[in-house]
Amino acid sequence: QSALTQPASVSGSPGQSITISCTETSSDIPNYRYVSWYQQHPGKAPKLIIYDINNRPSGVSNRFSGSKSANTASLTISGLQADDEADYYCSSYTGSSTPSFGSGTKVTVL
Amino acid sequence: EVQLVQSGAEVKKSGESLKISCNGFGYSFTTYWIAWVRQMPGKGLECMGLIYPGDSDTRYSPSLQGQVTMSVDKSINTAYLQWSSLKASDTAMYYCARRGVGPTYESFDIWGQGTMVTVSP
Repeated sequence: QSALTQPASVSGSPGQSITISCTETSSDIPNYRYVSWYQQHPGKAPKLIIYDINNRPSGVSNRFSGSKSANTASLTISGLQADDEADYYCSSYTGSSTPSFGSGTKVTVL
Repeated sequence: EVQLVQSGAEVKKSGESLKISCNGFGYSFTTYWIAWVRQMPGKGLECMGLIYPGDSDTRYSPSLQGQVTMSVDKSINTAYLQWSSLKASDTAMYYCARRGVGPTYESFDIWGQGTMVTVSP
């Protein structure tokens, strides 16, 4: 099973933009697609914020955007706000019967 | 409103059995896969497996197969996750989540509120 590696933490000041990476570490690169991103506030269930690399579900702020290049997907949060402070997880089907989640990134708003 | 409602927190002893539930509301329960996602204390998310309520087709994570059993009762729009013999290492928050359809097929678009399972040694 492949691994999806994320930085443990990313921080930024209000109004700034930050980017979280998600790197697929298996050699099975062609299966790394359809990346999703989830936001999880402390004590809450995860929430889908990006699907299929760069699409937002209805109701999700356009300050969240996704992209992918080769084996690295990225989530960018622009105009950082206090409520963006949360854990963020990428996810993808990477050849297994079940999706893999990234290791998670804690976003701190300074 | 589309939602998944899970059963309440459980406190059990090692070796006991347990079955937790996830009830779907506001959509066609039998036509969306349901996943079970584990989150151990202070840790990340891990997909344990998925089940298709329409025909009970199941896909288990290779690392967890045999440790849990997923099932559904489609007459009451409910999915289940069960253990026959709990271990202390099963202590975690367990979420059910709906796999999307169409463009969101490869993502989980609706999540339950979570069921905390605590297992004492």
